[in-house]
Amino acid sequence: DVKVTQSSRYLVKRTGEKVFLECVQDMDHENMFWYRQDPGLGLRLIYFSYDVKMKEKGDIPEGYSVSREKKERFSLILESASTNQTSMYLCASWGTSGGTDTQYFGPGTRLTVL
Amino acid sequence: SQQGEEDPQALSIQEGENATMNCSYKTSINNLQWYRQNSGRGLVHLILIRSNEREKHSGRLRVTLDTSKKSSSLLITASRAADTASYFCAPSGAGSYQLTFGKGTKLSVIP
Repeated sequence: DVKVTQSSRYLVKRTGEKVFLECVQDMDHENMFWYRQDPGLGLRLIYFSYDVKMKEKGDIPEGYSVSREKKERFSLILESASTNQTSMYLCASWGTSGGTDTQYFGPGTRLTVL
Repeated sequence: SQQGEEDPQALSIQEGENATMNCSYKTSINNLQWYRQNSGRGLVHLILIRSNEREKHSGRLRVTLDTSKKSSSLLITASRAADTASYFCAPSGAGSYQLTFGKGTKLSVIP
């Protein structure tokens, strides 16, 4: 089974801190994604990456950056966390399994910025 | 990427009943996927239907696709309390691996 893991389930940080959210997938997928999910707004794409060291902005990249140094790992960075970045963050990787192209999601990281 | 819109926003049924939720989208697609999300968890892929398919089954799930109406429906038969979750559709265009998710349908199955 494809496995996508995220470094923390829950995280509490203070305003202005630098925050790293890590995501690792074990299926050699080339494409990886970071979303945030907020009540009433659904899932919104922050950044995605289609190869090592490649990145593309999604719908809401402001205040975030990403790093993809190795194929299996995609990191989301909040350079200076703010309270409006309190949210659920979901990582996903895209690949083919059983002949089906689909996205596989991690369990999510609930980040609270105080 | 394009976003699917799920309808209704919320649905409450008794255990054993069938649940139907709908998805509409705007432009032509290559396939459409349905995902489930249990409260506070990540999304789980349920089923994918390709643009040249009209209906697909997986266990208690039945998905239909009407490309002329740009709509899809997800039917869960004989619902269980464990089906309580939010359900999202994700239409995808040809060559696109980027999915955009709507707000979902929140299904509550009452024991």
